[in-house]
Amino acid sequence: AQSVAQPEDQVNVAEGNPLTVKCTYSVSGNPYLFWYVQYPNRGLQFLLKYITGDNLVKGSYGFEAEFNKSQTSFHLKKPSALVSDSALYFCAVRPFYNQGGKLIFGQGTELSVKP
Amino acid sequence: NAGVTQTPKFQVLKTGQSMTLQCAQDMNHEYMSWYRQDPGMGLRLIHYSVGAGITDQGEVPNGYNVSRSTTEDFPLRLLSAAPSQTSVYFCASSGADTQYFGPGTRLTVL
Repeated sequence: AQSVAQPEDQVNVAEGNPLTVKCTYSVSGNPYLFWYVQYPNRGLQFLLKYITGDNLVKGSYGFEAEFNKSQTSFHLKKPSALVSDSALYFCAVRPFYNQGGKLIFGQGTELSVKP
Repeated sequence: NAGVTQTPKFQVLKTGQSMTLQCAQDMNHEYMSWYRQDPGMGLRLIHYSVGAGITDQGEVPNGYNVSRSTTEDFPLRLLSAAPSQTSVYFCASSGADTQYFGPGTRLTVL
């Protein structure tokens, strides 16, 4: 079965430290991979995506993600966390054979950045 | 561009009532989708559409109907609301690859 796993329900980081939010997937073929962020009582905002090419992709607000095909992972990273980065983060996958309307989401990781 | 808009923002229903959640996009996107968000479960796909007149079921379609008569609009209908349908509902649209989400509708069924 196709699935996305975010193994950590919550990640706690001190401001200024690097952060990593983990994501692994189980999808056949070469999927499209996405990260979204959700602030309280808001919709999902697109952060970044991997379609093809360089394994390190850069996105909004200084975030980046590294695609690792052998480990089927797509971890989200930021070199220096800000308190304003505190939010709920979702990893999502679109199998390559799917049409654009279908994403499979992980369960989400709550990121808390303390001053 | 307004992007993806949803109405209403909040709704309280009694069990058995019906209602329609509205979704509209002004980006001329082919694909539109409805998801529900429940704590600890991420977002789950209810129904999606690949163009006007074409819809299909997602992971959790039971109790919901959709139609797509125009490119812009993709309403979600609850036929007979149940407490299990208490959730936050998100509409999304996409072109070639990236989905963009509306602000959501928080629905409570009593």
